[in-house]
Amino acid sequence: DAKTTQPPSMDCAEGRAANLPCNHSTISGNEYVYWYRQIHSQGPQYIIHGLKNNETNEMASLIITEDRKSSTLILPHATLRDTAVYYCIVKSNSGGSNYKLTFGKGTLLTVNP
Amino acid sequence: GAVVSQHPSRVICKSGTSVKIECRSLDFQATTMFWYRQFPKKSLMLMATSNEGSKATYEQGVEKDKFLINHASLTLSTLTVTSAHPEDSSFYICSARRGTGGEMLYEKLFFGSGTQLSVL
Repeated sequence: DAKTTQPPSMDCAEGRAANLPCNHSTISGNEYVYWYRQIHSQGPQYIIHGLKNNETNEMASLIITEDRKSSTLILPHATLRDTAVYYCIVKSNSGGSNYKLTFGKGTLLTVNP
Repeated sequence: GAVVSQHPSRVICKSGTSVKIECRSLDFQATTMFWYRQFPKKSLMLMATSNEGSKATYEQGVEKDKFLINHASLTLSTLTVTSAHPEDSSFYICSARRGTGGEMLYEKLFFGSGTQLSVL
């Protein structure tokens, strides 16, 4: 699985957009970019994923650069409840024996009032 | 969305006792479940992969006799921490894979809310 690099922490004002970057320069053609988040003392929660095209759902938007070496998760209007650790994970869906999700250190996003 | 229920959410036990943690998929069948451990301010570490009806696969460095995993039905997996010691105190999280087949759809991976284990 390709390695990802994220800033350890970020701050955002409530109501503003939160843009969380992730570098994955060694991503291969069949690997997706997944984003999860973990609110304190809870289990992780799936947010969004993408392969090449930008994606949007009710939680967030995912912007993937054309060369796929980096991506940005966008929370359009951050709320205090969005304070969490955000994990960017690159995985192939081909399964087999390598279907384990490996969580790195992620980015602690703190949304301030 | 799919729900994974984990119980108990918090448990305190004495050193030397065993503790069982349950992970249930409430509205789907889960042929594969995963168990993670998380120490304070650290990331999740995968402990083992549990497949219904077969023995669990443990990650390197995880003692299978210490952390007993049973996945006897398509909706329930249990993790038993045997002869718990203070160093086993941690946040334990399960996840369940919805669907089967060779393709692993990570958006179909749902996590429980975790169990905080404190061993005195």
